Amino acid sequence: EVQLLESGGDLKQPGGSLRLSCAASGFSFGGYAMSWVRQAPGKGLEWVSGISGSGATTYYVDSVRGRFTISRDNSQNTLYLHMHSLGAEDTAVYYCAKAERGYSPSSLDYWGQGTLVSVS
Amino acid sequence: DIQMTQSPSSLSASVGDRVTITCRASQDIRNDLDWYQQKPGKVPKRLIYGTFTLQSGVPSRFSGSRFETEFNLTINSLQSEDFATYYCLQHTTYPYTFGQGTKVDIK
Repeated sequence: EVQLLESGGDLKQPGGSLRLSCAASGFSFGGYAMSWVRQAPGKGLEWVSGISGSGATTYYVDSVRGRFTISRDNSQNTLYLHMHSLGAEDTAVYYCAKAERGYSPSSLDYWGQGTLVSVS
Repeated sequence: DIQMTQSPSSLSASVGDRVTITCRASQDIRNDLDWYQQKPGKVPKRLIYGTFTLQSGVPSRFSGSRFETEFNLTINSLQSEDFATYYCLQHTTYPYTFGQGTKVDIK
């Protein structure tokens, strides 16, 4: 059974930093791309960042590029999101999601339960 | 970036109604479009992927269709458990983009 468990969400002050983690199990982690998706309170879904299965290629939405860094440790089956220069606009529930393929863009077939980041 | 324009933003319907939600892509996304259902406080649930394919376990009253860059989610005979917010997602290229969401509530 595929499981994704996010952690690391916290209350931070503006300008602060935070690292989110997503522990994966139930599939061959290094064979699949992963993404982070966020949802601000009462708002819609926003795709934030993605990484290929090998970790060699990363992608970002413009609003976080240069402030957030996605990475993965395939030996530990863990996905990360390093967040810097946090602002109120980053307040959201952050979900990690598994892609159907390892490299090329593909559907997100499994999602974690999410972790809350509050910036205030 | 590809823009996904979803409509309507909300709708009121009754149990048994047929409901259609539309997403229009700003450029060709082939069939790389999924539909998600989200209930308050819950994780989004994938209903349809690749424009047409029903996720395992999803009732057959849900269906997806496409005409060029316009994608539709249709719910035939709306049930009480279908009242939720629905989102489309294009994944043909990064950055992925979601539609703005459609809230379906009870008339």
